[in-house]
Amino acid sequence: AQTVTQSQPEMSVQEAETVTLSCTYDTSESNYYLFWYKQPPSRQMILVIRQEAYKQQNATENRFSVNFQKAAKSFSLKISDSQLGDTAMYFCAFSNPNYGGSQGNLIFGKGTKLSVKP
Amino acid sequence: GAVVSQHPSWVICKSGTSVKIECRSLDFQATTMFWYRQFPKQSLMLMATSNEGSKATYEQGVEKDKFLINHASLTLSTLTVTSAHPEDSSFYICSARVPGGSTEAFFGQGTRLTVV
Repeated sequence: AQTVTQSQPEMSVQEAETVTLSCTYDTSESNYYLFWYKQPPSRQMILVIRQEAYKQQNATENRFSVNFQKAAKSFSLKISDSQLGDTAMYFCAFSNPNYGGSQGNLIFGKGTKLSVKP
Repeated sequence: GAVVSQHPSWVICKSGTSVKIECRSLDFQATTMFWYRQFPKQSLMLMATSNEGSKATYEQGVEKDKFLINHASLTLSTLTVTSAHPEDSSFYICSARVPGGSTEAFFGQGTRLTVV
């Protein structure tokens, strides 16, 4: 069974600084997807960034980037130039497209609560 | 991006009654939708996979007679919490992907259920 582990329940960062959130996962699959989702106080889940396992290049979306280490099964999220609006719960998630039909469900980590301080 | 709408956003019901939560894909057809449950300050746990035109697939430990799922059309899945009890109080979220599209899952706004 696949598992996702986020070892940092809470983190804080000063505005404009950089913070890295950790995530490790366990799977025997070779083809899968990894995601970081943000859940602000509104509780709406928002996709931050995604990574296909077969791609060696780390994904980047503006201030957000990942460090994907496939052999180590590690998938950390770096937030640069942190903004107050980045304050939220961040969930790392795993998806195996071969489970749940062609759509693939998501397996979530327990989340990291990030607070950006002014 | 695609839009998934969930209704209601919050509901309060009495113990023993049933509550229906709707999940709609507004601008795409979703053959598969997912229902998650989130306890306070915890992660999302998959409850079931809803398949259009067929029976839902429930995760281990989820009572199928308690949480009835109906996916009668390509744009609507419903979750009915039957004979609700206070321990069913939680935040319920649905999601769907665009068939043939990217791997991004689009989430509804969630429903906060409180059973009194």
